[in-house]
Amino acid sequence: EDQVTQSPEALRLQEGESSSLNCSYTVSGLRGLFWYRQDPGKGPEFLFTLYSAGEEKEKERLKATLTKKESFLHITAPKPEDSATYLCAVQANQGGKLIFGQGTELSVKP
Amino acid sequence: EAQVTQNPRYLITVTGKKLTVTCSQNMNHEYMSWYRQDPGLGLRQIYYSMNVEVTDKGDVPEGYKVSRKEKRNFPLILESPSPNQTSLYFCASSFKNSPLHFGNGTRLTVT
Repeated sequence: EDQVTQSPEALRLQEGESSSLNCSYTVSGLRGLFWYRQDPGKGPEFLFTLYSAGEEKEKERLKATLTKKESFLHITAPKPEDSATYLCAVQANQGGKLIFGQGTELSVKP
Repeated sequence: EAQVTQNPRYLITVTGKKLTVTCSQNMNHEYMSWYRQDPGLGLRQIYYSMNVEVTDKGDVPEGYKVSRKEKRNFPLILESPSPNQTSLYFCASSFKNSPLHFGNGTRLTVT
């Protein structure tokens, strides 16, 4: 069964303290892996798409990487405005349905 | 501005009273979908539509209906809402195999 697991559920960081969020997945043929950011009271906002193992994408303080079993979202020198819930989703080749993980709630304190 | 618009943002209703949540997108996307988001369960797909007049069930379709008569609109209908449909609902749209664009959500409470 296709599945996505994110860890940790919640992460508290001090401003400037770098860390990583994990997204482990099992899918029968990966079409793409997506990272979204969700602020309280808002819909998820697209960050990155990764398609194949070894691929990396960067945007400001965020860097997403992909292996055959998992993806990491690295946050370098985070700021309070990076506080949000980060969602990972995978899309299988067959059917094309998006399967979401439960998210990691990130809090960055000044 | 490219966006997905949901209405209403908040809705409180009683068991059995039919309601409709509207969703409209202005990006000419073929694909539209409805999700519900519950604590500990994440985002779960209710229904989706690949194009006009084409709809299909997602993972949790029971108690919901949808229609896609126009490309831009994809309303979610609850014919007889029940308390277990209390949730945060999101509409989303995209071009095929492209990232989803989400609306800002509708928080529904059924008493």
